[in-house]
Amino acid sequence: GENVEQHPSTLSVQEGDSAVIKCTYSDSASNYFPWYKQELGKGPQLIIDIRSNVGEKKDQRIAVTLNKTAKHFSLHITETQPEDSAVYFCAASMSFGNEKLTFGTGTRLTIIP
Amino acid sequence: DVKVTQSSRYLVKRTGEKVFLECVQDMDHENMFWYRQDPGLGLRLIYFSYDVKMKEKGDIPEGYSVSREKKERFSLILESASTNQTSMYLCASSLPGGDTEAFFGQGTRLTVV
Repeated sequence: GENVEQHPSTLSVQEGDSAVIKCTYSDSASNYFPWYKQELGKGPQLIIDIRSNVGEKKDQRIAVTLNKTAKHFSLHITETQPEDSAVYFCAASMSFGNEKLTFGTGTRLTIIP
Repeated sequence: DVKVTQSSRYLVKRTGEKVFLECVQDMDHENMFWYRQDPGLGLRLIYFSYDVKMKEKGDIPEGYSVSREKKERFSLILESASTNQTSMYLCASSLPGGDTEAFFGQGTRLTVV
């Protein structure tokens, strides 16, 4: 089955700096890669996703890149703000056939004011 | 506003008790999922259901069962609770397909004593 590894497990950055979280996956059949943000006391919420036919996707201060050959994808947050402090999870799945999302182990991001 | 509602935020149960965790979604989603969240292990899939009365084992089904008698409701059952089932439990729902957004409930923190 799919295995998703995520690094780092914790990350502290100064407010205004950039943060990068990296994930690798094992199953070359995976073609959908979402990122979820979990704030304290809440369930995870989708913030951005990317499909395998695209190499990069941006949404304001958030971007995701995908390298299918190397089987890794990354989340980039620019101009970090205190409200970016949360736990972030990457995940991988297939569009059809096996609809299970396999999650990484999570990254606790802390923005230092 | 879409919603996935878990019946309890906190539960304390005794070893050996039968425990029911309830989840209701109001989005008419076909897929529903139960995950377990533990520090350093991320989100691990226990069971999922892609239709009423249909279920499939996830990655860690041992010690758990599920019930889906109605489309909007998905129950997780711990037949005989044990201390190693102390954890945060998250329910989610989504439309069909492995590349659709999963909507999560706020979680149930279960402590087995």
